[in-house]
Amino acid sequence: AQKITQTQPGMFVQEKEAVTLDCTYDTSDQSYGLFWYKQPSSGEMIFLIYQGSYDEQNATEGRYSLNFQKARKSANLVISASQLGDSAMYFCAMRGLRERQNFVFGPGTRLSVLP
Amino acid sequence: EAEVAQSPRYKITEKSQAVAFWCDPISGHATLYWYRQILGQGPELLVQFQDESVVDDSQLPKDRFSAERLKGVDSTLKIQPAELGDSAMYLCASSLAPGREKNIQYFGAGTRLSVL
Repeated sequence: AQKITQTQPGMFVQEKEAVTLDCTYDTSDQSYGLFWYKQPSSGEMIFLIYQGSYDEQNATEGRYSLNFQKARKSANLVISASQLGDSAMYFCAMRGLRERQNFVFGPGTRLSVLP
Repeated sequence: EAEVAQSPRYKITEKSQAVAFWCDPISGHATLYWYRQILGQGPELLVQFQDESVVDDSQLPKDRFSAERLKGVDSTLKIQPAELGDSAMYLCASSLAPGREKNIQYFGAGTRLSVL
């Protein structure tokens, strides 16, 4: 079974600073994908970034980067130069390669960006 | 930019009534998912469709929930009768195809259900 752990229920960061949101995972699959989603108060889940288990380099998408440490089974999201609009819930998720392997989401971290 | 469409955005109903939610996935996306998200938690999968076929409904409470995707495009999720514990956000997502690890799911804005 797959499991995602996000140990930070809430985080605060000053505007323009960088912040790291933690994510650890557990899986028996050899090949899997890791995802981060942002959920503003309006409710929609917005895809941010993807990391494949065999990708040699950490994924980056604009101000988002993923600190992937496979041996430690961690996939932390780093947001650089935080903006007020980054205030939201952030969910880490994973899925395996098998056809019917579903997304498993973590409990989320609420990020608040302070002016 | 293509989006997953969901309606209604908000639904208030009384216990024991029937409710239905609609989802139209991104054009060309063969896989469609319905999730339930309880306040303060991550989404949990209710049902997954591949085209018009259900491939996983193991977490769907089948005594009261039903889902269909008759023509393999849009989908309806129904609850009958609704219970107080069904109050949650119902999210629909779609993706191109399963079987690949980079199978990004794109979500709609959700339907927020309140059962009184």
